[in-house]
Amino acid sequence: DAGVTQTPRHEVAEKGQTIILKCEPVSGHNDLFWYRQTKIQGLELLSYFRSKSLMEDGGAFKDRFKAEMLNSSFSTLKIQPTEPKDSAVYLCASSFDTNTEVFFGKGTRLTVV
Amino acid sequence: AQKVTQTQTSISVMEKTTVTMDCVYETQDSSYFLFWYKQTASGEIVFLIRQDSYKKENATVGHYSLNFQKPKSSIGLIITATQIEDSAVYFCAMREGNYAQGLTFGLGTRVSVFP
Repeated sequence: DAGVTQTPRHEVAEKGQTIILKCEPVSGHNDLFWYRQTKIQGLELLSYFRSKSLMEDGGAFKDRFKAEMLNSSFSTLKIQPTEPKDSAVYLCASSFDTNTEVFFGKGTRLTVV
Repeated sequence: AQKVTQTQTSISVMEKTTVTMDCVYETQDSSYFLFWYKQTASGEIVFLIRQDSYKKENATVGHYSLNFQKPKSSIGLIITATQIEDSAVYFCAMREGNYAQGLTFGLGTRVSVFP
């Protein structure tokens, strides 16, 4: 089985640009997560979907971050407009249920200049 | 709200010895699930082991085992017979069972295994 697939692996954006990160969860999984990872803040939850419904939308990230799940096998994270402080690794993850392990993609490293 | 705290920033151990990492959590839920993950130098995050709150027995998988102390809200990870390739950052995480929330992570403990 394919794991969680994220594209692109690397993204460089200029300040003010709009970027869209993509994710394909493990087939059959019901839960999908978007996380941001930085050295200082660690792994921060941006959005959480269950069966395509948005369940949790990180309060601090509502302003310029928008995650969507168009179907059960594809999700996007849009950052608009980007700022240098958005430079981080963005991770997508999925799980079958609450009590099962969460599988992570390899992440997208975003650099905003 | 759920919270996970890992107080050890880094640990260094000699190969073939045992390393123990601490983790404490906070939750109001009566049902919850605790996980440990490993992040390798390449950035890949890999699931290691899980403990369900209603289970009294400590989980064990390969050379990973847990020390679950529910009254102390503590879930420690023990790695026995460490190998060089166990060098990584280890994250403790929690999900509540009765509320639809995401997985909450601690800040991680960096383990360095030396020959």
